[in-house]
Amino acid sequence: DSGVTQTPKHLITATGQRVTLRCSPRSGDLSVYWYQQSLDQGLQFLIQYYNGEERAKGNILERFSAQQFPDLHSELNLSSLELGDSALYFCASSASVGPAYEQYFGPGTRLTVT
Amino acid sequence: AQSVAQPEDQVNVAEGNPLTVKCTYSVSGNPYLFWYVQYPNRGLQFLLKYITGDNLVKGSYGFEAEFNKSQTSFHLKKPSALVSDSALYFCVVRDQGGSQGNLIFGKGTKLSVKP
Repeated sequence: DSGVTQTPKHLITATGQRVTLRCSPRSGDLSVYWYQQSLDQGLQFLIQYYNGEERAKGNILERFSAQQFPDLHSELNLSSLELGDSALYFCASSASVGPAYEQYFGPGTRLTVT
Repeated sequence: AQSVAQPEDQVNVAEGNPLTVKCTYSVSGNPYLFWYVQYPNRGLQFLLKYITGDNLVKGSYGFEAEFNKSQTSFHLKKPSALVSDSALYFCVVRDQGGSQGNLIFGKGTKLSVKP
């Protein structure tokens, strides 16, 4: 158990809908990352927050947004969902943002868009 | 741009035999390299990392990795494979460019250990 929690585990929704994925980092970790894992794209970085502030953006669509709250939990919002958004979404956390800090991953949220 | 390559989609090993999962990297500057493992229907688990120092890095579950700067490789090894090692292994490099801090994943190598 990495100490990173994600809810829900599974989510099934229809095209055009909006969903929110939630992540709680390991105790004491200030940095949160979101990744998407799909069969065709592999594992891709979406966005990073550090102590409430957005720090880096990767291949995140404009329909997607995220935030990190004062208690350090994070939410990833996915809107106007398309079939291609079906994937496993991982949250990870690290103690800080230096390159030597390893990231610890949650169990993921499997999103199915029908 | 940073990148990693895992040339093998799948590696098959008999239990008790040594295993190697290959990885080569391309970075500008000092490499920060990691190995993660993903078991079926579970999240990714950190195995080990190379930041600086000893070229042989020891990690969890008896795994180790050898950093080779001249060959730009970071192969994962284990002296004696277990059936429970069967999983998907990712070689990872830390992005030192615009998205500094995030991880860049290889496509993964599926390790299958047969009894």
